[in-house]
Amino acid sequence: SQKIEQNSEALNIQEGKTATLTCNYTNYSPAYLQWYRQDPGRGPVFLLLIRENEKEKRKERLKVTFDTTLKQSLFHITASQPADSATYLCALPSNSNSGYALNFGKGTSLLVTP
Amino acid sequence: DTEVTQTPKHLVMGMTNKKSLKCEQHMGHRAMYWYKQKAKKPPELMFVYSYEKLSINESVPSRFSPECPNSSLLNLHLHALQPEDSALYLCASSQGSNEKLFFGSGTQLSVL
Repeated sequence: SQKIEQNSEALNIQEGKTATLTCNYTNYSPAYLQWYRQDPGRGPVFLLLIRENEKEKRKERLKVTFDTTLKQSLFHITASQPADSATYLCALPSNSNSGYALNFGKGTSLLVTP
Repeated sequence: DTEVTQTPKHLVMGMTNKKSLKCEQHMGHRAMYWYKQKAKKPPELMFVYSYEKLSINESVPSRFSPECPNSSLLNLHLHALQPEDSALYLCASSQGSNEKLFFGSGTQLSVL
């Protein structure tokens, strides 16, 4: 069955450091992978999409890598701030060919302390 | 306007009640979604409408009934729910297939 695995434990880091979150997947052949941020009691907010032919993508302090051989994506937040504290979800398109079914990982909770 | 608006924000209902969740977007998106999310779990896809037609139904029990009256509106009709249906119900939209999703803030549903 298709599985998306993210660090199950919360990640606590100090302000100013780089946070690195991991997303591993099995039984997917994704053409792309997406990352979302979710705050408590709110809907996820889209951050980045990376395609299978892209090794790396950046947006401001965010960087995503995508290794289809390792079946892994890494999500980095540089110069982290307390406002970055949230749960970060990775998402992959289902193997069905609809193009609409997006499956989410459980998410990793990030806490940035001053 | 890049918002997806969901109403109500909170809903408490008994197992015999009938209620509806509403979702609206004015971004011209052609796909709309219902996801269900329980605490500490990932969002789970329930339904997808594409061009106002039901495109995906992820084997959701019939006590949940989606409706897409037009391209901007999406409803989820609830009837005879169970306490285990208590969750955050999220609506989302996208421009088309294989695109990023725009989520609403959700409806926190409690079934007593």
